[in-house]
Parts: sequence; C-alpha cells; structure tokens
Amino acid sequence: QQQVKQSPQSLIVQKGGISIINCAYENTAFDYFPWYQQFPGKGPALLIAIRPDVSEKKEGRFTISFNKSAKQFSLHIMDSQPGDSATYFCAASRPGGFKTIFGAGTRLFVKA
Amino acid sequence: DTEVTQTPKHLVMGMTNKKSLKCEQHMGHRAMYWYKQKAKKPPELMFVYSYEKLSINESVPSRFSPECPNSSLLNLHLHALQPEDSALYLCASSQADRNNEQFFGPGTRLTVL
Repeated sequence: QQQVKQSPQSLIVQKGGISIINCAYENTAFDYFPWYQQFPGKGPALLIAIRPDVSEKKEGRFTISFNKSAKQFSLHIMDSQPGDSATYFCAASRPGGFKTIFGAGTRLFVKA
Repeated sequence: DTEVTQTPKHLVMGMTNKKSLKCEQHMGHRAMYWYKQKAKKPPELMFVYSYEKLSINESVPSRFSPECPNSSLLNLHLHALQPEDSALYLCASSQADRNNEQFFGPGTRLTVL
C-alpha cells in the first residue's frame, strides 16, 4: 500500500531522444507526486511535481503524465542532453503527511 | 535564499567517536528532516521536526540523536556508530503546511571505520 514502484532501473538514451521513466502506486490517499533529480555526490533536487487533479504538467523539457485511474505516472524528458544524466526518483505523499515515499530510482545516461 | 546547507561535507569517524552533523536553512521553513541514503538507493527518512518539535522518529537507533535548536537549525549527534552506518546523510526542509515540497541539502558523506 505504501510502495511506489519505479521502472526501469537504468536507461540509456541518445542525445536528443526522449527519456521515459514510469512509476506506479497503490495508495489512493496519495495526493502529491514529485520527481527528484540527483547527481552523484549531491542531494536530490525537486524537478517537477503534480497533483492528481491534472493529467499532465510540463516545465520546459520535462513533462509529467498522470493517470489517476491506472494509478500510474511518468516522467518524459524531451530532447535529452548529456547533462540530464543523473538518478531520477519518483515519489508520493499523502495530504498533511511528512513522509515521502520514494521509488527505487532510475539511473539515466544520455549518450552524446 | 532557497538553499539548505550542511556541514561538514565529508566526515570520517571511528566507532568510539562522538560527532555532529549540522544543517541550516533560511527559507522560513518550519519542518526539517534527516534522511539516510545508501549508494544506489532512495533516501530513507530518519527524523522529522515540525515547529522545532520531534514529529517523526522512524525507529532510528539511539546512537543517532537529533536536535532542533531553533527554526533554522537542525543537528544530528552521532555516537558509537557502526560501519554499516556509513552513508550520505541528507537534511531537508519544507513549509509545515505544504510539507510535501521538500528542499534537500547537499548531504554529508559519513564513513565509519
């Protein structure tokens, strides 16, 4: 119930391509779904987030697609660049709760 | 200022040592967090402070002792650690009423010998 399942574990994409990372959850009480980007030796940084009242949110090259009925959400990185190479974590949390449930992470490598 | 700072960046300690990790934020956030992150794993919540009071302790061993002296500062006191406690320790903060949006510091890389 508390898990967020993330796939794939790792991803290699050519420069200019589209990177897609998927997550699924079970707890319908979750109401906030952020994506974090983490570079080696650094803390995670909030990249983009969505709430379940919208099906899509776009910020620059980054888009979250959200399917409430399927309890799935995904991150799309358009025109992927080598500088996007990092670990990406999806996450979910409940309203008023301090706990953020993280997915296992996806290591993205963008080939130049 | 949208930054969470942590000191030191790296720490090496023996199992009998006592050391402290420090975290500071000046975003006016009233919730602060300690996470532990092992290599290739997601962050794992340890403690949460809300309005300077301990709100969550995720059954963390007593060799880790958190402290929140004021709304901007968060400490993690370490004593008698084990080698398996070696990890990246992350501090985060958020608004207490919008506690989902967490801002993370760069972390302290801890090695226990």
